[in-house]
Amino acid sequence: QKEVEQDPGPLSVPEGAIVSLNCTYSNSAFQYFMWYRQYSRKGPELLMYTYSSGNKEDGRFTAQVDKSSKYISLFIRDSQPSDSATYLCAMRLTGGGNKLTFGTGTQLKVEL
Amino acid sequence: GAVVSQHPSWVICKSGTSVKIECRSLDFQATTMFWYRQFPKQSLMLMATSNEGSKATYEQGVEKDKFLINHASLTLSTLTVTSAHPEDSSFYICSADRGTQETQYFGPGTRLLVL
Repeated sequence: QKEVEQDPGPLSVPEGAIVSLNCTYSNSAFQYFMWYRQYSRKGPELLMYTYSSGNKEDGRFTAQVDKSSKYISLFIRDSQPSDSATYLCAMRLTGGGNKLTFGTGTQLKVEL
Repeated sequence: GAVVSQHPSWVICKSGTSVKIECRSLDFQATTMFWYRQFPKQSLMLMATSNEGSKATYEQGVEKDKFLINHASLTLSTLTVTSAHPEDSSFYICSADRGTQETQYFGPGTRLLVL
């Protein structure tokens, strides 16, 4: 079993839809959680960074963390074609350096 | 803030030659820099972690004599692919963080093609 599981997609939605991207993890020592967006042939771009259970909102993006269920989500409201990309969840242990453990990424396509 | 650059963005070389890739943190001093490799439609694979002035720590299975990492300053790390072969062709991405409570900020990546 992988430490971090993420549905690879591809996920195709119409413009304006609400998108839900999810990751589950098995190691309860993960305490810091991130979502990155990666466009084709580009480096990952940090979208959200959180370390507590609950919701964190930034514009059209909401990150949700449920440590008791070992489950994190990223919601995208009013999705746009420019949101078409691969979304990677990542998480980090407390201490032990800053190494990240990534999900496999979910490929999202927002269609007109 | 937290901008990371990489140079070059694209490189094509002949088999047997060495290629150097630079990673710079432009607006912050990086405590740690990381080097990743990514194959098409796959997630990032961590190759090594480096701290300024120290030897890099390589992940299991990564040949340290083939992938030389030099972390010369708090804003610059280099990855040299020595005696490159076609199987080394890949997308190489660096990242940097600002401290133990921070996350990583990624560079735009370098695409290497070895002929």
